[in-house]
Amino acid sequence: DTGVSQDPRHKITKRGQNVTFRCDPISEHNRLYWYRQTLGQGPEFLTYFQNEAQLEKSRLLSDRFSAERPKGSFSTLEIQRTEQGDSAMYLCASSDFDRLEAFFGQGTRLTVV
Amino acid sequence: GQNIDQPTEMTATEGAIVQINCTYQTSGFNGLFWYQQHAGEAPTFLSYNVLDGLEEKGRFSSFLSRSKGYSYLLLKELQMKDSASYLCALTGGGNKLTFGTGTQLKVEL
Repeated sequence: DTGVSQDPRHKITKRGQNVTFRCDPISEHNRLYWYRQTLGQGPEFLTYFQNEAQLEKSRLLSDRFSAERPKGSFSTLEIQRTEQGDSAMYLCASSDFDRLEAFFGQGTRLTVV
Repeated sequence: GQNIDQPTEMTATEGAIVQINCTYQTSGFNGLFWYQQHAGEAPTFLSYNVLDGLEEKGRFSSFLSRSKGYSYLLLKELQMKDSASYLCALTGGGNKLTFGTGTQLKVEL
């Protein structure tokens, strides 16, 4: 499978706990994006990387959120001290620098109880 | 900022043609994208327009008019499996996507 893969697919956590999600992009893609989607809404941009450099972060990304892409391959998104409002689908996408279209992974559905 | 508007819901008949409109207000963008998303699944890329005009890809076509701030997605020969949410999105710096809220299409017999 050469698509974007995300792990885990589902995560249930208690409020206040930390969670970490992983994204493995399409291997030759040097751009990687994180989005968040809530029910009935389109995905909202959170942050993106070009290779290992984090080039932009949305205002939506509070201090509790941190993302890394240490070797320019896979990426992790960590949420500290989760809140119920963090419950959403977290989507990862990747693209090639020379092309506009991005390809999405299946997402990680987070439920904070 | 960018403001993107799409109808919330549409219903169409199997075998028919449906047009999903998208209007936007923005100071600039690289391209306009259309994605399909089935419930609980990832968005799947359908089509994009950089220049004005029509792009055709099989049963799906997308049109863009930059001067009018308008795009549409045309789906022909509708099938039941086309029931999904259709997302209009603009690309900006870094090719990050700004999405509309999506149009939920229901295809009926």
